[in-house]
Amino acid sequence: GAVVSQHPSWVICKSGTSVKIECRSLDFQATTMFWYRQFPKQSLMLMATSNEGSKATYEQGVEKDKFLINHASLTLSTLTVTSAHPEDSSFYICSARDQGRTYEQYFGPGTRLTVT
Amino acid sequence: DAKTTQPPSMDCAEGRAANLPCNHSTISGNEYVYWYRQIHSQGPQYIIHGLKNNETNEMASLIITEDRKSSTLILPHATLRDTAVYYCIVSPPNTGNQFYFGTGTSLTVIP
Repeated sequence: GAVVSQHPSWVICKSGTSVKIECRSLDFQATTMFWYRQFPKQSLMLMATSNEGSKATYEQGVEKDKFLINHASLTLSTLTVTSAHPEDSSFYICSARDQGRTYEQYFGPGTRLTVT
Repeated sequence: DAKTTQPPSMDCAEGRAANLPCNHSTISGNEYVYWYRQIHSQGPQYIIHGLKNNETNEMASLIITEDRKSSTLILPHATLRDTAVYYCIVSPPNTGNQFYFGTGTSLTVIP
């Protein structure tokens, strides 16, 4: 299957700072990527749909000014958590669907964010 | 919102078949059924998908009822490494269509 990577795999930051998480499709091009957040013992919650060359679409209740998404190329999307607070601590996961194969969605390994 | 319901947890003896049910009674005609699993602190892993016919691959089998309102994922010979949370998702097969995860089933394979 196709491979999606994330960087970093874990990060610790202080309250009030910003953190950028990268999501890359390594062996396929992705016009659309997705960002999820997962709290402990809970399911994945879709945050936003990232579209190459255009603005992201955010799910209801997700602050677009806090979670900045940039999809500058067909293989890279970034999520920036701005002015992070301890309640933003979570597991962030990205995914993409291969343009060539429209069925499966491939997930990255996730990024563990801890805000102190 | 998720369009699927699954039992919250199940146990299965090692070496036996694990049968994980999923209800998707409001599935639309063009929506596929996808199964993923998530091992602790990792990204979800694709298992199998189908539209209306039963499907089998090296990991599992997928049985979809004739009315497509429910399905069952079968792991034929469960191993300890199959312990994970299993998610059933319905979605059209387009690159821009989102996945909405339900609560999934936590499968524990018992030695």
